[in-house]
Amino acid sequence: SAVISQKPSRDICQRGTSLTIQCQVDSQVTMMFWYRQQPGQSLTLIATANQGSEATYESGFVIDKFPISRPNLTFSTLTVSNMSPEDSSIYLCSVEGTGNIQYFGAGTRLSVL
Amino acid sequence: GDSVTQMEGPVTLSEEAFLTINCTYTATGYPSLFWYVQYPGEGLQLLLKATKADDKGSNKGFEATYRKETTSFHLEKGSVQVSDSAVYFCALDTGRRALTFGSGTRLQVQP
Repeated sequence: SAVISQKPSRDICQRGTSLTIQCQVDSQVTMMFWYRQQPGQSLTLIATANQGSEATYESGFVIDKFPISRPNLTFSTLTVSNMSPEDSSIYLCSVEGTGNIQYFGAGTRLSVL
Repeated sequence: GDSVTQMEGPVTLSEEAFLTINCTYTATGYPSLFWYVQYPGEGLQLLLKATKADDKGSNKGFEATYRKETTSFHLEKGSVQVSDSAVYFCALDTGRRALTFGSGTRLQVQP
């Protein structure tokens, strides 16, 4: 299994500002994923982040809005830029561990005023 | 494209009742299937998985069988407890490594 730490666990932000979410894993992993869980909804994949290459974004998500960094095999960040109330969600980081199982962090609960 | 359909919630049961949460999927190829659970205020935890047809995943008294003929992966438990109250997500992986999730089903177990 993998232990994933996400920071911050929650935040309240003003419209127009940006927030960077950090994801730290206790072991080296090739693939990391960022998901969004809007209130009362299921999880939607934002992007896949591999170390040493540009993140791959899903339809409806763009790099200018959700820039991602992946500087090494244990760490990634997701930035939510120029926030609006519609960005209020839980953002989750996950990694692929042994047996192709995905392990999730506890998430970052973001509220935008 | 790939999709997962779960039964609508919330599902409200009394303690020791039998639980079924329906899950069907649409996918190309032969996906791996998963059930994840999200307890209040926590992240997702893998509950069980199955990687090929007729496989049965099981954990903590929960079971689900991969039925290729009906493209289903229904979650069952013979006797639920109050501590099972959570949101349950069915998910699939067709090999692209990212998961496609269902909408989630909230389970409320009353003492």
